[in-house]
Amino acid sequence: SQQGEEDPQALSIQEGENATMNCSYKTSINNLQWYRQNSGRGLVHLILIRSNEREKHSGRLRVTLDTSKKSSSLLITASRAADTASYFCATVRSSYKLIFGSGTRLLVRP
Amino acid sequence: EAGVTQFPSHSVIEKGQTVTLRCDPISGHDNLYWYRRVMGKEIKFLLHFVKESKQDESGMPNNRFLAERTGGTYSTLKVQPAELEDSGVYFCASSKLATGEQFFGPGTRLTVL
Repeated sequence: SQQGEEDPQALSIQEGENATMNCSYKTSINNLQWYRQNSGRGLVHLILIRSNEREKHSGRLRVTLDTSKKSSSLLITASRAADTASYFCATVRSSYKLIFGSGTRLLVRP
Repeated sequence: EAGVTQFPSHSVIEKGQTVTLRCDPISGHDNLYWYRRVMGKEIKFLLHFVKESKQDESGMPNNRFLAERTGGTYSTLKVQPAELEDSGVYFCASSKLATGEQFFGPGTRLTVL
């Protein structure tokens, strides 16, 4: 089994709309992080939410964490074409290594 | 401040050959991680260095993979001999604190023919 499964696998929206991506995991965690990967580039850290936090904001990003349901969501508001990328959630347990999900491919149409 | 750099960006080798990937972490980051993504699969953890010591190498697939971080600065990941299933993108990341944000390099795309 794997940690951090994202839903949906792919999402296509119009510029200006909001994009919501979900992530589920299976075991207890220390924190959960969201990353973005533009085509052919490295992973860019977006936001980290700790297990004792429920919601966190950073600019147009809003992340929620529900440890009882073992799930997290990433909301991008007022999306832009430049937000087109793959988004990954990654969980951290006690050993500090990131355990990634398979990612959501987001396409924002101009 | 320079980010994490990786070299080469692409490598194409034949099965049975040896390849060495290099990662230069952000200066001052004691923690260095290797991950890889093989085609169609998730990004998977390979190992974690704290300075020059291997803290966790539970993700290393087999003994054809050897990672080093002499002097606690840059790290190398050698694959010898390479097999077809080793093809993928190898990412390196570094962090100041083990619990902190990991900064990723652009990755090395390895193709084994």
